[in-house]
Parts: sequence; structure tokens; C-alpha cells
Amino acid sequence: DTGVSQNPRHKITKRGQNVTFRCDPISEHNRLYWYRQTLGQGPEFLTYFQNEAQLEKSRLLSDRFSAERPKGSFSTLEIQRTEQGDSAMYLCASSLAGGMHEQYFGPGTRLTVT
Amino acid sequence: AQSVTQLGSHVSVSEGALVLLRCNYSSSVPPYLFWYVQYPNQGLQLLLKYTTGATLVKGINGFEAEFKKSETSFHLTKPSAHMSDAAEYFCAVSDQGYSTLTFGKGTMLLVSP
Repeated sequence: DTGVSQNPRHKITKRGQNVTFRCDPISEHNRLYWYRQTLGQGPEFLTYFQNEAQLEKSRLLSDRFSAERPKGSFSTLEIQRTEQGDSAMYLCASSLAGGMHEQYFGPGTRLTVT
Repeated sequence: AQSVTQLGSHVSVSEGALVLLRCNYSSSVPPYLFWYVQYPNQGLQLLLKYTTGATLVKGINGFEAEFKKSETSFHLTKPSAHMSDAAEYFCAVSDQGYSTLTFGKGTMLLVSP
């Protein structure tokens, strides 16, 4: 068990550019979650997948955001036409199905939009 | 809708003193409750969780928390603080038919020698 990994760890981009982040979950976990954490706040839910199906999206996930999980393995989160307000830590987590199972978090990708 | 309130954005204790971090939740259905810890530049690590059964839950690193339904609380305690406990702590709630977590804003624990 190598844990949840995320790449890149840091991303600096200019406003208006597109960025893509990758998350590799723990191999036997069928659920994968994306959260966003801004300074001084707790993580906020963005979206989650069960296998390859995207089951829920938060209101926070504007149409500039898209997430995929092809084949139910790794996931990507893309932000198009980045804005300064998108600067945050993007956290990925994975778990077994069922609310009682804890979510295991990756180290996050810190996005800075200049 | 669920929500979590963590009282105190910062808590300072001396090494060896009792640690008490407060968490109150709001949920329309029986909740699952979690405490996570985040060290600088690291992801969140689960300290403990309450799902069903015993309301006093023991976690890693000597932490424990008690689920009090009547008070809608899930406060985190540790009898004796260590310097290594300095970190940010997050309380989170999910409901039994759901899986996404709703987090509080976090409490930064500062431990002085």
C-alpha cells in the first residue's frame, strides 16, 4: 500500500491558462474524491467517483472544472481558463464504498494562479 | 445539510497539559464523525472516527473523542500534550447514507515547552 499520490505537488500558472492534476488512489479503493482547501479553511468537497462513474458534483465545481476517472483507476482534475480565485490546495482522497470507511488523503497539489 | 463548528481557530497549551479541541456538528440524520490531523505541507491523516457503538473512541497518538448526541458534540482530547502534537486538526461529519465529508474550519494546536 503506497498511499494516495498526487502530481504535481505544486503548480504555478498564469491567469487564463488550463491546468490538469492527477490523483492515483490506493489500488483497492473504488471511491475517489476531490476537495479544495483554501488558506484558513477546511477542505471543501468538489466531486467524487465510484469506480468510473462521477456520482456527485458540488456547486463549487463551476463549468470550468472537469474531472474524469477513466477505467476506475487514476483521476484527473482539469481547470480551464484559470482565475486567481482558483489558487488553493487541491486534495484527493480514496476509500472503500460506504460512509463508515475513512478517506485516505494524498499530499495535495498546491495551485498558484498569477 | 450538514455543518461542523470548531470553536477556536487556535489553541495553545504547554507540553504535558491537557489538550481539548471542540467540535459541534449539525446533521439531520445519525452522523459518522471523524477527526483528522494535518501537518505542514502534508495531507490529512485520520486520528479517529465514530460510526456506531461505543461513544468513546480511541485513536492514534493517545487521542480520544466522545460522541455526545444530546450535545451534538465530538470533542477531541489528549491527557498530555507533546511538542509533536503541534498541527492543525479538522473535525468532519458524513451521514450514514452518504460518503462525502463536511469539514470544520480547523483548529491550530500550538504546544509550548
